[in-house]
Amino acid sequence: KAGVTQTPRYLIKTRGQQVTLSCSPISGHRSVSWYQQTPGQGLQFLFEYFSETQRNKGNFPGRFSGRQFSNSRSEMNVSTLELGDSALYLCASSLDDLTGELFFGEGSRLTVL
Amino acid sequence: QKEVEQDPGPLSVPEGAIVSLNCTYSNSAFQYFMWYRQYSRKGPELLMYTYSSGNKEDGRFTAQVDKSSKYISLFIRDSQPSDSATYLCAMIAGGYNKLIFGAGTRLAVHP
Repeated sequence: KAGVTQTPRYLIKTRGQQVTLSCSPISGHRSVSWYQQTPGQGLQFLFEYFSETQRNKGNFPGRFSGRQFSNSRSEMNVSTLELGDSALYLCASSLDDLTGELFFGEGSRLTVL
Repeated sequence: QKEVEQDPGPLSVPEGAIVSLNCTYSNSAFQYFMWYRQYSRKGPELLMYTYSSGNKEDGRFTAQVDKSSKYISLFIRDSQPSDSATYLCAMIAGGYNKLIFGAGTRLAVHP
């Protein structure tokens, strides 16, 4: 059974640009969550999607957005990049939305110069 | 004060030692408790999952939850060099997979 796939794995952007990250969940999983991981703040929840609907959002500015498609694949977008957006962005999929049993991908490492 | 407190370490132990990793939390609404293991440059991997107070054992790993003290633990018996990783505790109060993570404890098991 294939795991969670995230693309691209590494990318470098400059301040002011925007970026789109993609996530393919485990087959059959309908919940997709996104997390940001930095050395200073650790793992922080960005948002969660289930059946194309965003149901929960963390404390991040509106520059961070996402969406989920009918096949459960998800994308997240960060506009007007700032240096502080440099981080590992992790996608996780789950069968349900209550218990927190998440299966993470390997992440997309974003560097903003 | 953070909702979940976890000593970031690093923790260095010899092979074969018993390792104890701990987290405390302040939100009594947390219901589900997890331990994730993260190797360098990899995503977190779910290691243990518990719902209620008590112990749960899986091979060399034992997870404990004490809701009255708001304290969770992970014990690793007969630690191996392959256990060297960062261990993250996580917990969830409501739905929608909004996990609150601890800072992670970096563990090094040396031969």
